[in-house]
Amino acid sequence: GQQVMQIPQYQHVQEGEDFTTYCNSSTTLSNIQWYKQRPGGHPVFLIQLVKSGEVKKQKRLTFQFGEAKKNSSLHITATQTTDVGTYFCAGRAGNMLTFGGGTRLMVKP
Amino acid sequence: DSGVTQTPKHLITATGQRVTLRCSPRSGDLSVYWYQQSLDQGLQFLIQYYNGEERAKGNILERFSAQQFPDLHSELNLSSLELGDSALYFCASSAVTSGSYHEQFFGPGTRLTVL
Repeated sequence: GQQVMQIPQYQHVQEGEDFTTYCNSSTTLSNIQWYKQRPGGHPVFLIQLVKSGEVKKQKRLTFQFGEAKKNSSLHITATQTTDVGTYFCAGRAGNMLTFGGGTRLMVKP
Repeated sequence: DSGVTQTPKHLITATGQRVTLRCSPRSGDLSVYWYQQSLDQGLQFLIQYYNGEERAKGNILERFSAQQFPDLHSELNLSSLELGDSALYFCASSAVTSGSYHEQFFGPGTRLTVL
């Protein structure tokens, strides 16, 4: 079945440093979604990418969808303590949405 | 507040028992999903319902079952509980238009502890 791998599993950064998480799918995706889960909270939708090579920005967050629609990345510029949490990608193929294992971001003030 | 409600918030029970978790989706959402999240783990997809019918199945154990009712709320039944079933169970809902699935809105989760 479809597999979505996410790396790294954990990332510690100093406040102000950049952060990137990568997502790779075993199959071509129709779209990819990103979610953020704060500690003790539930996943919250961030964005959806649909087109090959698409790039979207939300303030300090930049999301990319690969040309082959099998990989994606989330880059955070100048992290802040409010960015702490686990970031999940979720790739859709058909009517199945498969979540990656998540990248837990920890930010040292 | 995502608009998705789950009850109960916490559930403590013993091995071998059976429990039912309940989820009410956002108003108008026809699709409901169930996920299991063990401590510091990712989201394991269990099952999806769309307008009362099972749409997709993930790694759901035979001891687990779910259904979606005519009013669109859903219940996840977990039976013959084992220690390893202790986890956070999330329900999510999404809208579906023209065959396209939109983002999922997650409920606050039910934390199940099996002793």
